[in-house]
Amino acid sequence: DQQVKQNSPSLSVQEGRISILNCDYTNSMFDYFLWYKKYPAEGPTFLISISSIKDKNEDGRFTVFLNKSAKHLSLHIVPSQPGDSAVYFCAAANFGNEKLTFGTGTRLTIIP
Amino acid sequence: NAGVTQTPKFRILKIGQSMTLQCTQDMNHNYMYWYRQDPGMGLKLIYYSVGAGITDKGEVPNGYNVSRSTTEDFPLRLELAAPSQTSVYFCASSRDVPARTETQYFGPGTRLLVL
Repeated sequence: DQQVKQNSPSLSVQEGRISILNCDYTNSMFDYFLWYKKYPAEGPTFLISISSIKDKNEDGRFTVFLNKSAKHLSLHIVPSQPGDSAVYFCAAANFGNEKLTFGTGTRLTIIP
Repeated sequence: NAGVTQTPKFRILKIGQSMTLQCTQDMNHNYMYWYRQDPGMGLKLIYYSVGAGITDKGEVPNGYNVSRSTTEDFPLRLELAAPSQTSVYFCASSRDVPARTETQYFGPGTRLLVL
C-alpha cells in the first residue's frame, strides 16, 4: 500500500512559468513532510520541508503548501528555471520516527 | 567534508553471487539508512541504524544484511544475489530523526545489475 502518492509521473513547464508538483498521503499520523530533488546519477538532495503545524513554508523560489484536511501537499516553483529539471520526491514522517516514506517521484522538465 | 560516499558506483553480479555495498559518512551522524530505488518507483527503506551496534529492518529487508560497528560505516551485504535485487541503492545519514532535523543526506548511489 502506497502511503505517499505522486500521481503525475512527469510534468513539463515553460521556463519562467510556475511549476506545481502534487503529493497525496493516506496516513493521518504523518506530521512532517519533505521534498527532495534528484538529478540523474546523483543521490536525492533536500529541498524544503513543512511541519503539520504550518500550512505554508517558503524558501526563495520554492514554496510548499500543506492541506491537512485533504491530506495533500504541493510544491510551487516560481519562476521555473532550466536547472530545476529533475525528479522531485515527496516524503513524509511521523514525529519522532526514524523513517521517511517516499512517493514515487515526478519528473519535471523545464522547456527553455 | 565528503558527506556520504558509496562504493562501488556500478556492479554487475551473477545470480547467486554475494557482494558488500560500502557506505561511509564523515558528518558524525548517528542515523544511517539504506534505500533501494527501482525504475518508476520511490525509495524503499531496506535497513536503518540509529547508532553504532544498533540496526533494524525497514520495508524490504529480505535478501540483505547490515552491520554498524562504527559511527562512520554502514555496509550492506547481499547474499545469493537474485535478479529482483537489480536496483539503484542509496545510503543516507542524518543527525537526528527526520521530524527534528531538515534532512537526510544521500550518497550518489550504487547501480547494481544481477544477471
